[in-house]
Amino acid sequence: GIQVEQSPPDLILQEGANSTLRCNFSDSVNNLQWFHQNPWGQLINLFYIPSGTKQNGRLSATTVATERYSLLYISSSQTTDSGVYFCSACSGGGADGLTFGKGTHLIIQP
Amino acid sequence: DAGVIQSPRHEVTEMGQEVTLRCKPISGHNSLFWYRQTMMRGLELLIYFNNNVPIDDSGMPEDRFSAKMPNASFSTLKIQPSEPRDSAVYFCASRPFEGGWSPLHFGNGTRLTVT
Repeated sequence: GIQVEQSPPDLILQEGANSTLRCNFSDSVNNLQWFHQNPWGQLINLFYIPSGTKQNGRLSATTVATERYSLLYISSSQTTDSGVYFCSACSGGGADGLTFGKGTHLIIQP
Repeated sequence: DAGVIQSPRHEVTEMGQEVTLRCKPISGHNSLFWYRQTMMRGLELLIYFNNNVPIDDSGMPEDRFSAKMPNASFSTLKIQPSEPRDSAVYFCASRPFEGGWSPLHFGNGTRLTVT
């Protein structure tokens, strides 16, 4: 099955800083999603982005499908951005589930 | 929309007991997925259904695990007998399966502790 690798595994930043999280995947994708797992364990869907670029407030994401990577940008970080960010992808047929990377653990310090 | 609803939120049980986790997908979503999250293995896909039919259960760890989807609005994941290594957070997710690809929506999970 598809392999999903995320980097860096851990990231500590000061409030206000910008960050870039990377996701590499091993096959062409039909579905790619970024999630934020908050301190309460909830998986929040940030972007559904199998290709192209999207923006939502301080967050944006870009997927370059031909080069098999996706980037998540967080600008002007806030302490509430802390948590684990997961990239997930699916390359199979219509009902295949997402394969998750190991995540990037982000800590934003005040 | 109420989102994907899972119950219970927390379950603590003793080794050997039967555990049943429940999931109500988003109305109109006809693909349903069960995931397990542990520190060691991360998020793993256990099984998924399309139109109430199990499509791939290759992620189910052992015969002690079983899942059913008797109708479009309800699914269960059962562990019998439970063991301490089954302790994890179990997530249910759903999405539509018609008309192309669409994002997966997750419930809040059930935190299972087996003592």
